[in-house]
Amino acid sequence: QVQLQESGPGLVKPSETLSLTCTVSGDSISSYYWSWIRQPAGKGLEWIGRLYTSGSTNYNPSLKSRVTMSVDTSKNQFSLKLSSVTAADTAVYYCARQPGSFDYWGQGTLVTVSS
Amino acid sequence: DIQMTQSPSSLSASVGDRVTITCRASQSISSYLHWYQQKPGKAPKLLIYAASSLQSGVPSRFSGSGSGTDFTLTISSLQPEDFATYYCQQSYSTPLTFGPGTKVDIK
Repeated sequence: QVQLQESGPGLVKPSETLSLTCTVSGDSISSYYWSWIRQPAGKGLEWIGRLYTSGSTNYNPSLKSRVTMSVDTSKNQFSLKLSSVTAADTAVYYCARQPGSFDYWGQGTLVTVSS
Repeated sequence: DIQMTQSPSSLSASVGDRVTITCRASQSISSYLHWYQQKPGKAPKLLIYAASSLQSGVPSRFSGSGSGTDFTLTISSLQPEDFATYYCQQSYSTPLTFGPGTKVDIK
């Protein structure tokens, strides 16, 4: 049973960096793409970016200048950093496995940007 | 970027109804189209991948069709647990994009 679990601060101050980690169990992170997706309250889904354990990454151009993703294969984890956050970055953040579609998702974690 | 649109944006239906949701891509995406169901406070759940393949464990009343730019999700007989929001998503090219969603509620 593949499971993903997001973790990180639920509150981030404006202009600071949002940092989240996704821990994967039941599967090796050394396969597939692994993505971050977010959803502001009451709105739709926005793909942030993905990484492969080779180090290859693809980021959404709308966020590319602020996003960094990395992987720690020893811990079976991957991470998201989003810099210079504003209130517009307040959302539920999901991590997901992507063999093609997003077949396994974390439960999501709410990140609020506020002073 | 490939833009995804869905219609309708919302619909009201009764248990037992046949429901059809349409998704259109701004350019051809072959069969790189997937459907998700999302209930309030929950992560999206994969229903259909590659336009017409039923994800393991998903009831057979869900089906998908289409290729190129036009796709359809059909629920053959709506059940109480199917009231939710449905999203399509393309994986043909990055940035990966989702449709705006179709909310299915109770008539």
